[in-house]
Amino acid sequence: EPEVTQTPSHQVTQMGQEVILRCVPISNHLYFYWYRQILGQKVEFLVSFYNNEISEKSEIFDDQFSVERPDGSNFTLKIRSTKLEDSAMYFCASLGQAGQPQHFGDGTRLSIL
Amino acid sequence: AQKVTQAQTEISVVEKEDVTLDCVYETRDTTYYLFWYKQPPSGELVFLIRRNSFDEQNEISGRYSWNFQKSTSSFNFTITASQVVDSAVYFCALSEAGAQKLVFGQGTRLTINP
Repeated sequence: EPEVTQTPSHQVTQMGQEVILRCVPISNHLYFYWYRQILGQKVEFLVSFYNNEISEKSEIFDDQFSVERPDGSNFTLKIRSTKLEDSAMYFCASLGQAGQPQHFGDGTRLSIL
Repeated sequence: AQKVTQAQTEISVVEKEDVTLDCVYETRDTTYYLFWYKQPPSGELVFLIRRNSFDEQNEISGRYSWNFQKSTSSFNFTITASQVVDSAVYFCALSEAGAQKLVFGQGTRLTINP
């Protein structure tokens, strides 16, 4: 069964550094998402992406964050200048058709030192 | 605005007991979708079930069953004859019509003791 792939599984970065989290969604899916889960808390929506542009973003998704689909297969989340509070698990998800379940990757655990 | 409430933060039961996880949601849309996801200790999110707002039929899948009641805005999840492998955090989530974001509840940490 096709799956969403995220790399790396764990990223350790110094505060203030830029980080790029990578995702390969399921190939025929059209809708893409990033979510964040701070340790022990709920999963929070960050941003949705459709037709090569952001369709919705949350209050968390400020100017430090950006998303890109550079080559038709990868979907990336960039954090420009990381803060300690960015430490979390970041999940990528993709969706083929509205109303269907989103398929999640296994997540990237981001640790900011 | 969308909101999902899982009032039970943690539940602990002994193996073979039945357990129900509660989920209450809020939405202004008439068309919406409800989901349950399981997050085992390894951390990934595993899809369990989807329900649309027009289908209130309850569903059973093996030891799992779901009770959707629009009148009380609830979508509860019952595990019958629980097993240690059921230990995980369970999230209820809501998506409004269209390819909208998922709004998750706080999650319920379920521990099944042998």
